[in-house]
Amino acid sequence: QKEVEQNSGPLSVPEGAIASLNCTYSDRVSQSFFWYRQYSGKSPELIMSIYSNGDKEDGRFTAQLNKASQYVSLLIRDSQPSDSATYLCAVNRGISNFGNEKLTFGTGTRLTIIP
Amino acid sequence: DGGITQSPKYLFRKEGQNVTLSCEQNLNHDAMYWYRQDPGQGLRLIYYSQIVNDFQKGDIAEGYSVSREKKESFPLTVTSAQKNPTAFYLCASSLTGDLYEQYFGPGTRLTVT
Repeated sequence: QKEVEQNSGPLSVPEGAIASLNCTYSDRVSQSFFWYRQYSGKSPELIMSIYSNGDKEDGRFTAQLNKASQYVSLLIRDSQPSDSATYLCAVNRGISNFGNEKLTFGTGTRLTIIP
Repeated sequence: DGGITQSPKYLFRKEGQNVTLSCEQNLNHDAMYWYRQDPGQGLRLIYYSQIVNDFQKGDIAEGYSVSREKKESFPLTVTSAQKNPTAFYLCASSLTGDLYEQYFGPGTRLTVT
């Protein structure tokens, strides 16, 4: 089992709809979870971080964390063509060491917003 | 303007040559990281450093070396011992403490022929 798993996609969503991206992880003690957006040929850009169970909203983005199910998701509301990118899920390994974090990245989900 | 810079953006080398990739940050971050990204694979950690003059191997350190002589700088050397050096190399940095999100530089695309 991979440490961090994401569907590779591509995931196609009509403009204006909700895009739902999912990520599962294997390390039960992981405490920090991150979503990065990566445009083709560019570096990853941090868009959300979440540390507690539940939802965290930031503009059109909502991160959802369920530690019991070892599942983290990212919802993008009112999807725009500019949201078309690869979304990477990242999870810290083991007990958080507050700054000496080793992250494990998923391989990413490619999202395409269809105008 | 605060940020992370990496240079050069593109780098071409012949097999058997060592090459050093630059990473500089002016965010006053304590921790710095090097990753490589290959098509279809997640980012893989090469080396990381929490403080000046100290660094640790990541998951794929063989064939790479680093130094951390200044807080702002964390150069990566890809040696001739690295069997598959062609990749997209990403440098990241983070604070320590409660806020430790990692932020990435623009990356260096290295091609070795």
